[in-house]
Amino acid sequence: EAQVTQNPRYLITVTGKKLTVTCSQNMNHEYMSWYRQDPGLGLRQIYYSMNVEVTDKGDVPEGYKVSRKEKRNFPLILESPSPNQTSLYFCASAPLRTSGSETQYFGPGTRLLVL
Amino acid sequence: EDKVVQSPLSLVVHEGDTVTLNCSYEVTNFRSLLWYKQEKKAPTFLFMLTSSGIEKKSGRLSSILDKKELFSILNITATQTGDSAVYLCAVASYGGSQGNLIFGKGTKLSVKP
Repeated sequence: EAQVTQNPRYLITVTGKKLTVTCSQNMNHEYMSWYRQDPGLGLRQIYYSMNVEVTDKGDVPEGYKVSRKEKRNFPLILESPSPNQTSLYFCASAPLRTSGSETQYFGPGTRLLVL
Repeated sequence: EDKVVQSPLSLVVHEGDTVTLNCSYEVTNFRSLLWYKQEKKAPTFLFMLTSSGIEKKSGRLSSILDKKELFSILNITATQTGDSAVYLCAVASYGGSQGNLIFGKGTKLSVKP
């Protein structure tokens, strides 16, 4: 089954404790992206990747890191989480065609609480 | 600054009603506009629009783009309770960040039986 998977789905942590949220897709998509969704603010893009070893900042990259060493994986790293990073996180992937990366497939989401 | 504005923010209708959701945008180097449906989980893709005046349809849903007036509408006819969701509009641009997608805050649609 074609899908985007994220782990963990729920996470409670404390300020300053490094964490990684994994994202994996099995559709051989070039494009992958991370979003956070907050009430009243909608979906905001954190980082995206157009292909292996190619990453770029979205609208809200501060406090996050990403890497794209393999095509299927795009982990999101919070080196020193803070309470303002409490949010619902979505990973997405898309094939890169002439139309771009718009038809994105979203993962199920990771709900993160930073105390 | 690029932005996408959706209206209304929320809407309550009864089954069988027809609804129109709006999305206006200000984006440099517009490439495409997309609609997503989000229930209590991840957004799912509905439509991608790149050309003005060409209606996209899928069952009871349809959408059209006006690139001159910088807006799009999403129509849902004969609404059902299963249409209850948040509908998200997003715009992609050819700007420096080709992979950048800007989302509106969404319209929450509630369909009452």
